[in-house]
Amino acid sequence: EVELTQSPGTLSGSLGERATLSCRASQSLNSKYLAWYRQQPGQAPRLLIFGASNRVTGIPDRFSGSGSGTEFTLTINRLEPEDFAMYYCQYYDYSVLTFGGGTKVEIK
Amino acid sequence: VKLQESGPRLVKPSETLSLTCSVSDDSITTNFYWGWLRQPPGKTLEYIGTVYHAGQTFYNPSLSSRVTISVDSSRNQFSLNLQSVTAADTAKYYCVRFGDWWVVDFWGQGALVTVSS
Repeated sequence: EVELTQSPGTLSGSLGERATLSCRASQSLNSKYLAWYRQQPGQAPRLLIFGASNRVTGIPDRFSGSGSGTEFTLTINRLEPEDFAMYYCQYYDYSVLTFGGGTKVEIK
Repeated sequence: VKLQESGPRLVKPSETLSLTCSVSDDSITTNFYWGWLRQPPGKTLEYIGTVYHAGQTFYNPSLSSRVTISVDSSRNQFSLNLQSVTAADTAKYYCVRFGDWWVVDFWGQGALVTVSS
């Protein structure tokens, strides 16, 4: 079973700064099935990135995903107020979805 | 696509948690899979299981002995039953649609279910 470890657990940033979030897998992944979500307080998560690097229609281009194998990254350029939230990576394998533990992006 | 969870929000230990998801602005018989995730307070998301309108199901192995997911195409709904609940099953339960490449592209608003006597 794949395990996803996200780091850092909490990232403190300022408006306009760049944030880099990591998702590390316990084994090499098929990038096609790696996704990222943002969850604002009290809301359901929202899909940002699929296939490791493909931005969902309507998601601002300040969000980008990259990576392969066991190391994946979500980059947020120019943090905006709505970006202070929880972020989760997710993988699908053998009919099971697995989520990482999450990274909280908070205002410095 | 809109999804809405319904069902009791308080369940006693050892009893069965039952939730229904009503789907609107889409037919549950389209070529998508539907399912359930949950999120205990302050924790990450956990996959529960998946159902296809033809009845095919997949479950998280860690919950499979207690979970049943079923579909009612005539009502455009699908349901979750989780047996023998304990306090550890207290969570917000989300009904979802799985899009291409097994991402969750649509979510219900979530139903917070508390297990307590």
